[in-house]
Amino acid sequence: EAQVTQNPRYLITVTGKKLTVTCSQNMNHEYMSWYRQDPGLGLRQIYYSMNVEVTDKGDVPEGYKVSRKEKRNFPLILESPSPNQTSLYFCASSTLQGRGSYNEQFFGPGTRLTVL
Amino acid sequence: GNSVTQMEGPVTLSEEAFLTINCTYTATGYPSLFWYVQYPGEGLQLLLKATKADDKGSNKGFEATYRKETTSFHLEKGSVQVSDSAVYFCALSESYSSASKIIFGSGTRLSIRP
Repeated sequence: EAQVTQNPRYLITVTGKKLTVTCSQNMNHEYMSWYRQDPGLGLRQIYYSMNVEVTDKGDVPEGYKVSRKEKRNFPLILESPSPNQTSLYFCASSTLQGRGSYNEQFFGPGTRLTVL
Repeated sequence: GNSVTQMEGPVTLSEEAFLTINCTYTATGYPSLFWYVQYPGEGLQLLLKATKADDKGSNKGFEATYRKETTSFHLEKGSVQVSDSAVYFCALSESYSSASKIIFGSGTRLSIRP
């Protein structure tokens, strides 16, 4: 089954304790992205990657890191989490077809993070 | 910059009622427009899309027409069901690169009463 998986689904942590949220897709997609969802703000892009070893900042990258060492995986790293990073996080992936083309993004089930 | 504005929820309707969720956008160029749906406890799924003016996207009884003159992409369904209860996101794609950036609206929560 084609899917995007995230782990963990739920996480409660404390300020300053480094954490990693994993994301994996089995569709051989080149493009992967992380979003956070907050009430009243919709989804905002944190980081994205167009291929292995190619990553770039989205709209709200502060406090986050990513890496893309393998095509299927795109972990999100919070080196020193703070309470304002409490949110619902989604990973997404898609193919890349060419300039001007839209490629449907497939979303993972989400990770609910609480930073105390 | 580009943006998407959609009606605030929650929207509560009775089963078989007519649904409209308003969405307007601001964009330079010619974006593609989308509706995504998020069912409880799940990620977002593409519901429908339209890639140019006057296109109508449709899926599962939902429809939306890309109106360039009013910069709108309102979601409609003639007869809603309880299973349509979800959060709906309007979005646009800035397709100036091969990796289209998506901008989402804030979402509208829809609840359908039996």
